[in-house]
Parts: sequence; C-alpha cells; structure tokens
Amino acid sequence: DADVTQTPRNRITKTGKRIMLECSQTKGHDRMYWYRQDPGLGLQLIYYSFDVKDINKGEISDGYSVSRQAQAKFSLSLESAIPNQTALYFCATSDGTGINQPQHFGDGTRLSIL
Amino acid sequence: AQSVTQLGSHVSVSEGALVLLRCNYSSSVPPYLFWYVQYPNQGLQLLLKYTSAATLVKGINGFEAEFKKSETSFHLTKPSAHMSDAAEYFCAVSPTGNQFYFGTGTSLTVIP
Repeated sequence: DADVTQTPRNRITKTGKRIMLECSQTKGHDRMYWYRQDPGLGLQLIYYSFDVKDINKGEISDGYSVSRQAQAKFSLSLESAIPNQTALYFCATSDGTGINQPQHFGDGTRLSIL
Repeated sequence: AQSVTQLGSHVSVSEGALVLLRCNYSSSVPPYLFWYVQYPNQGLQLLLKYTSAATLVKGINGFEAEFKKSETSFHLTKPSAHMSDAAEYFCAVSPTGNQFYFGTGTSLTVIP
C-alpha cells in the first residue's frame, strides 16, 4: 500500500463547483503539504501544515483552502473551481523531527475544470 | 527569495552516454538540496539529498550529484544512461528544512 494516498486520482468537474481533494498518510509524519504542478512551472506550494493546529499559506493559496483533520489527513478544497485551476495536484509529507528530511509524495490528482 | 534554476527543460542523450542535469540555487547560505525523479502518472521520488558530509552524493539508480558552494550548483550526473532513466527530474532546495522550493524540471529522453 502507498504511504501517501491521494483521492481521487482523476476528477473532471465544471466551473463554479466545490471540490475536495483528500490526502492520507501512513508514514507518521507531522508535516504535510499541497502542491500544484503545471507544465514548465515545476511545483508550486499551495498550503502546508506542520501539525494539526498549524496551517500556513504557500506561494499560490488564493482560491484554495485546506483542513488538517488529523495528523494523517490533509485535504485541499477549491470552493468555486475555475478553469485555470486545472492542474496536477500533489500531496507530500515530511518528518519534522529530524534535519534535512526529504518530502514523500503521493501519486497525484489530475484535476480538469471545464 | 529562494530560487532554483534548472538549465535545459529538455535533455536528450543516447543510451550509454553521460547524463548531466544542471541545478543552480540562490542562497547566501548552503541550503538543504535534493533531486527527485518523476515517472509518468506518478509522484516525485527522492533520488538523493545533500547531507554536508561529502560534496559528492550518491543516490539510487546510479545517479550522483556534486555540491559546489563556489558555483552554488548541485548538478546531477549518471555515467551511462539507461532507457529506464527517461523521466522528469526536479532539483529542490530547502533553506531551513521547513519549506521546499522546486526547479521547473528537466525532461530526460534516452535515445536507443
């Protein structure tokens, strides 16, 4: 089983709809992140959380919100989806108890907004 | 602000040839440095990370990277390319270990 699981893997929806992307992890990591990937732009940080009570905005948080329901769960919401939010979305985790710890990624959610 | 530059969005090499993927970062203090690989329809996987114990870092699948402080670079190399190396490669830096900044990626094509 994957250590970082994202659901759904693919989603097609219409402009104006509310969408939630979910991420769960079994790695026991305290830190969780949401990124979006666009061709030629690499990964851009949307939100990150260092523990259940900690939520921080990333580079491109406008139009998105998050919820850290438990240490293992971190969901991303698009309250009113727009076409330029069409992208590949990744959840990642890292271990904040050590230094120089890498991130571990889910397999992504491909989101298309028509 | 932290930035990561990957020169060459597309690199093509022949099977068996040297692979060189370039990464430069902007930071007055050496950050934490990482290389990730992304295969189609998958998330990013860690190839290697710089630990400051040695300037030459060995990773998985025969890849290695050399940290050069004077050039603020962390280029990724592999002596002999294999068809299975075809993928997207990302350099990432983390100034403090909290946030991570990614380059725009380099797509590696291996020609048989």
